[in-house]
Amino acid sequence: KAGVTQTPRYLIKTRGQQVTLSCSPISGHRSVSWYQQTPGQGLQFLFEYFSETQRNKGNFPGRFSGRQFSNSRSEMNVSTLELGDSALYLCASRNPGHSTDTQYFGPGTRLTVL
Amino acid sequence: DQQVKQNSPSLSVQEGRISILNCDYTNSMFDYFLWYKKYPAEGPTFLISISSIKDKNEDGRFTVFLNKSAKHLSLHIVPSQPGDSAVYFCAASAGSGNTPLVFGKGTRLSVIA
Repeated sequence: KAGVTQTPRYLIKTRGQQVTLSCSPISGHRSVSWYQQTPGQGLQFLFEYFSETQRNKGNFPGRFSGRQFSNSRSEMNVSTLELGDSALYLCASRNPGHSTDTQYFGPGTRLTVL
Repeated sequence: DQQVKQNSPSLSVQEGRISILNCDYTNSMFDYFLWYKKYPAEGPTFLISISSIKDKNEDGRFTVFLNKSAKHLSLHIVPSQPGDSAVYFCAASAGSGNTPLVFGKGTRLSVIA
């Protein structure tokens, strides 16, 4: 089975711009979660989508949003970028209710905001 | 308030010896715990998990121990190999994995040949 894929792998933007990141889960996985990793804060949960509905949301401003499509692929959008948004954005997929309900991560998108 | 704490930012171990990585948690609702390994510029790789109904889970060289009364878990790697050098994250969730993972800040393990 192919793993979780994320595109693009690297992105450079300037302050005030917006960005969209994409995540394709493992085939058959219906839940996609997004995390932000920064050196100071570690991995922090952004949101989780299941069956095209946001199921959980972390403590991030409304500039961070996401969606999930009927094929379980997910996108994350950050509007009005700030320097502090520079981070590694990780996507993870799982299959809720499965006996081995574990989140599997993609390689991440490294976002740099100048 | 950090609900999952990895108090050792780094650990160095000689090849062939045991590596012990520790993790403490504060939320008594956590009932599912995982360890991930992360190399630079890659996503975390799942290593091993344990449910709160168990106190030990083993997978090859990796064993996780859970002490619920102390709210403490540890990952043992025996024997340690140079390829184990990475950052190890402890994560926890409530609701048997159906709530978001809460991560510790990681411990960088260096296995010296």
